Amino acid sequence: RKEVEQDPGPFNVPEGATVAFNCTYSNSASQSFFWYRQDCRKEPKLLMSVYSSGNEDGRFTAQLNRASQYISLLIRDSKLSDSATYLCGCMDSNYQLIWGAGTKLIIKP
Amino acid sequence: DVKVTQSSRYLVKRTGEKVFLECVQDMDHENMFWYRQDPGLGLRLIYFSYDVKMKEKGDIPEGYSVSREKKERFSLILESASTNQTSMYLCASSSLDGNTIYFGEGSWLTVV
Repeated sequence: RKEVEQDPGPFNVPEGATVAFNCTYSNSASQSFFWYRQDCRKEPKLLMSVYSSGNEDGRFTAQLNRASQYISLLIRDSKLSDSATYLCGCMDSNYQLIWGAGTKLIIKP
Repeated sequence: DVKVTQSSRYLVKRTGEKVFLECVQDMDHENMFWYRQDPGLGLRLIYFSYDVKMKEKGDIPEGYSVSREKKERFSLILESASTNQTSMYLCASSSLDGNTIYFGEGSWLTVV
């Protein structure tokens, strides 16, 4: 079993819809969590950190569920420009980031 | 603005050639990383470094070596390139607490 797992997708979503995807992690000692966005043939860029209390940044909401060991990303009112691959990263107690393989999102007009 | 720079963006090398991939960061970060990314496999850690002249193997170090002679520079070396090393290579850096990792733009290596 992979340490960090994501549904690879693709998620095909109409513009304006709400979409959510999860990332499960196996190491219960994981301390910090992140969502990164990666456009085609570009480098990953930080979208948002995931705090225990959850956090929101505009149309994006990230949540952490420690009991079930997953993090989630919710995108509301999706835009064409949201099309990308979303990577989750989980940091262990040694400050090592373990990455999921990414979820591909395609927003259709 | 933070910057991780990978000097070689696109390279084509022959099997058996020695390949150097250079990475420089301007954020005075302690941690630096080399990943490769392949379709369906995600980011796989090759080597990382927590300090100058220090290096640690990641998940897939075979066929690679690294050098960190200065804090801002972390080089990845393929001693004898092979076709299965065709990939996108990403350099990254972070501060000591690991909070927020910044990536370079990537180096696309093709070995023929």
